[in-house]
Amino acid sequence: ETGVTQSPTHLIKTRGQQVTLRCSSQSGHNTVSWYQQALGQGPQFIFQYYREEENGRGNFPPRFSGLQFPNYSSELNVNALELDDSALYLCASSLGTGLANNEQFFGPGTRLTVL
Amino acid sequence: DAKTTQPPSMDCAEGRAANLPCNHSTISGNEYVYWYRQIHSQGPQYIIHGLKNNETNEMASLIITEDRKSSTLILPHATLRDTAVYYCIVRAGGTSYGKLTFGQGTILTVHP
Repeated sequence: ETGVTQSPTHLIKTRGQQVTLRCSSQSGHNTVSWYQQALGQGPQFIFQYYREEENGRGNFPPRFSGLQFPNYSSELNVNALELDDSALYLCASSLGTGLANNEQFFGPGTRLTVL
Repeated sequence: DAKTTQPPSMDCAEGRAANLPCNHSTISGNEYVYWYRQIHSQGPQYIIHGLKNNETNEMASLIITEDRKSSTLILPHATLRDTAVYYCIVRAGGTSYGKLTFGQGTILTVHP
């Protein structure tokens, strides 16, 4: 069973640029969630994709957008990067079944630095 | 989702049981208690979850009080590798919407 993988591991961008982060779900999982974790804080929910549709969003501006593909892998896109976007970006996959007791499995994250 | 309260930090001696408390006094009847941990610079790792009954797996035990307003995560024989931030999360049931609301968590330090 393959776990959740993310790429790249680290990334450095400058203000105003755009970035795309990628996530491959754990085998058999159809739901992907993205989280942002600033230094010293707990992860904050950005949005979730279930069967290629966004079905929940946290308090993040529209310049944070995403996609989920038919194989359930996912992308997080951030436009017009700001210094405060510097964080660890985490992807989590799960099996969406309509029940709450479906734990989320996290990837190792992508460390984004905005200069 | 209900708010949780955890102590900011705890210490434990290697080989002893680590008991991590969590208060969730506003929990609703259909909300589950989840525990995750995050070892430095890694993604959070699922530990255990429960609704009403006590639960045990190969990693830990979860004790939920009868009124469900608090719970305790027990690591029976802590090792140095258990040093991590532990998050207690309450999440509603009956939906595939998977938002996890993380608080500050408890930094557990296991000493030799």
